[in-house]
Amino acid sequence: EIVLTQSPGSVSLSPGERATLSCRASQKVSSTYLAWYQQKPGQAPRLLVYGASNRATGIPDRFSGSGSGTDFTLTISRLESEDFAIYYCQQYGSSRLTFGGGTKVEIK
Amino acid sequence: EVQLLESGGDLVQPGGSLRLSCVASGFTFSSYAVSWVRQTPGKGLEWVSAISGSGGSTYYADSVRGRFSISRDSSMNTVILQMTNLGAEDTAVYYCAKGGPSFSNSPDRYFQHWGQGTLVTVSS
Repeated sequence: EIVLTQSPGSVSLSPGERATLSCRASQKVSSTYLAWYQQKPGQAPRLLVYGASNRATGIPDRFSGSGSGTDFTLTISRLESEDFAIYYCQQYGSSRLTFGGGTKVEIK
Repeated sequence: EVQLLESGGDLVQPGGSLRLSCVASGFTFSSYAVSWVRQTPGKGLEWVSAISGSGGSTYYADSVRGRFSISRDSSMNTVILQMTNLGAEDTAVYYCAKGGPSFSNSPDRYFQHWGQGTLVTVSS
């Protein structure tokens, strides 16, 4: 199974700052089959990015995904108050789907 | 609007059984695979099981294979997760999630839509 390691585990930033979240895979993720989700307390995950770099419907363009192979990045260009949440990556190149442990983006 | 509504979560004793339901609306039910994904504070998000749109193909995580069974009732637009021989490690919030048309195809295995979740607690 592909293990996804997200870093940092948590980060404290101020509104307007840039957030850079990392997701590293234990082996190559086929054809950039990597997604990113946002989760707020008491809510289900919300799809942000699929195919490593494709924004899901309705997702603001301050969210962008990049990467390939084993290293992927989610960037939030300018944090807004509603962006403080936990972010998860998921690989789906293998039928044994796996998620990363999450990165918590906190308000500084 | 796509909606997924889970139910059936409860407190159950170790070794017990439980049946979760996911009622879907807002899309052509038989055309899309549906998965169950669970979440615990300790282990985070874990994919559990998936079923194809036709119901003819099912998929399981190693951690639940042989104990959980997934099925779907197209007349009721419902996906069922039957869970048996439950242990403390199965304690989690269980979400149903809609993927693409075919779970056997990699591009279809991310989740655009999720339900609100149902809590399963396994404890004596």
